[in-house]
Amino acid sequence: SAVISQKPSRDICQRGTSLTIQCQVDSQVTMMFWYRQQPGQSLTLIATANQGSEATYESGFVIDKFPISRPNLTFSTLTVSNMSPEDSSIYLCSVVIGTGELFDEQFFGPGTRLTVL
Amino acid sequence: QKEVEQNSGPLSVPEGAIASLNCTYSDRGSQSFFWYRQYSGKSPELIMFIYSNGDKEDGRFTAQLNKASQYVSLLIRDSQPSDSATYLCAVNEAGANNLFFGTGTRLTVIP
Repeated sequence: SAVISQKPSRDICQRGTSLTIQCQVDSQVTMMFWYRQQPGQSLTLIATANQGSEATYESGFVIDKFPISRPNLTFSTLTVSNMSPEDSSIYLCSVVIGTGELFDEQFFGPGTRLTVL
Repeated sequence: QKEVEQNSGPLSVPEGAIASLNCTYSDRGSQSFFWYRQYSGKSPELIMFIYSNGDKEDGRFTAQLNKASQYVSLLIRDSQPSDSATYLCAVNEAGANNLFFGTGTRLTVIP
């Protein structure tokens, strides 16, 4: 497994501002993802954070709104830009650990609880 | 659009009973299937994975996979109040590591 930390753990922000969330892993990992979990909902994949290149975004998510950085194999940031109350959610980073078998295991960070007023 | 469907519940079972959680998926190319447990206010925790048809047992948990029917389930034997949580079914995107999650089934084990 991997130890994943996120900062901040929670924040309350004003409409129109931006927040950058950090994700730190205790070991080098190839694949990192960012998910969103809106209140009472399941997880939705925002993007794959690619080291050394632009992130790969899922349908409905764009780089201008959710810019992502991945400067090395242990760290990534997600910025939620020009926030609105609809962005209130838990944001989770996850990493994939190879098992040497058909599948890889994916582990989640503790999440960042964002409230936008 | 990959779809993963679960009964949202809530599912209530008495302590000691078997809890049965079900999940269907739309992508026939999916190869790996995961069950996560999520306690309220916490992040998801991987509890089971399966990628071959049939049953896989791990302690009180049994995962069942039927690729022909595009169906995966999780059985929890001797349910305990500490099993009360939301259980998320996740399916990988064929050829990738992306996971698609169901909406989760909220399980309550009644003492």
